[in-house]
Amino acid sequence: EAAVTQSPRNKVAVTGGKVTLSCNQTNNHNNMYWYRQDTGHGLRLIHYSYGAGSTEKGDIPDGYKASRPSQENFSLILELATPSQTSVYFCASGRDRGGTEVFFGKGTRLTVV
Amino acid sequence: GQGVEQPDNLMSVEGTFARVNCTYSTSGFNGLSWYQQREGHAPVFLSYVVLDGLKDSGHFSTFLSRSNGYSYLLLTELQIKDSASYLCAVRDQNNYAQGLTFGLGTRVSVFP
Repeated sequence: EAAVTQSPRNKVAVTGGKVTLSCNQTNNHNNMYWYRQDTGHGLRLIHYSYGAGSTEKGDIPDGYKASRPSQENFSLILELATPSQTSVYFCASGRDRGGTEVFFGKGTRLTVV
Repeated sequence: GQGVEQPDNLMSVEGTFARVNCTYSTSGFNGLSWYQQREGHAPVFLSYVVLDGLKDSGHFSTFLSRSNGYSYLLLTELQIKDSASYLCAVRDQNNYAQGLTFGLGTRVSVFP
């Protein structure tokens, strides 16, 4: 069964600290995505990737970096975490670049204090 | 610009039906997906439509009218476990690589 696994599932970070959210997929999908979901905003795209070695900016990339070292792994990096980055983060993968069907991980709840 | 609009909430009764509406505006429509998201869980894919008309998938059906920028998700024979948020997401051929633009979701509450 297709699987997208995120770690950690919960994280508390201090303002100014570095946070790395990890994502692993066993779908063998080329395309991977990082979203955040906030009340009143829905799912918003932060970064995405076409394949190993590629990262692209989504709709709200400021304050975030991404890394795709392999087909399976896609990380989201907050170099200097801020309270405004408190959110639920979802990683997803999709076979079709346009996102016809996207498989989501269970999410990471990040709290920046 | 691009926008996806959905009503915030919808209430219905077990055994009946619920219709979740979605309107969208996009410069190059290239498909619409529906996802179910239970509280505290990840979105789960339900359906994808790109042609006009009704697509019957049993418990879930979807309708699309491209000329009106409108879709709905029809849930029939509702069960309590259908209580969830339902997200509409649009694919834009002019912004293809980024994937989907999501609406805020409609929270469907099913009562006995």
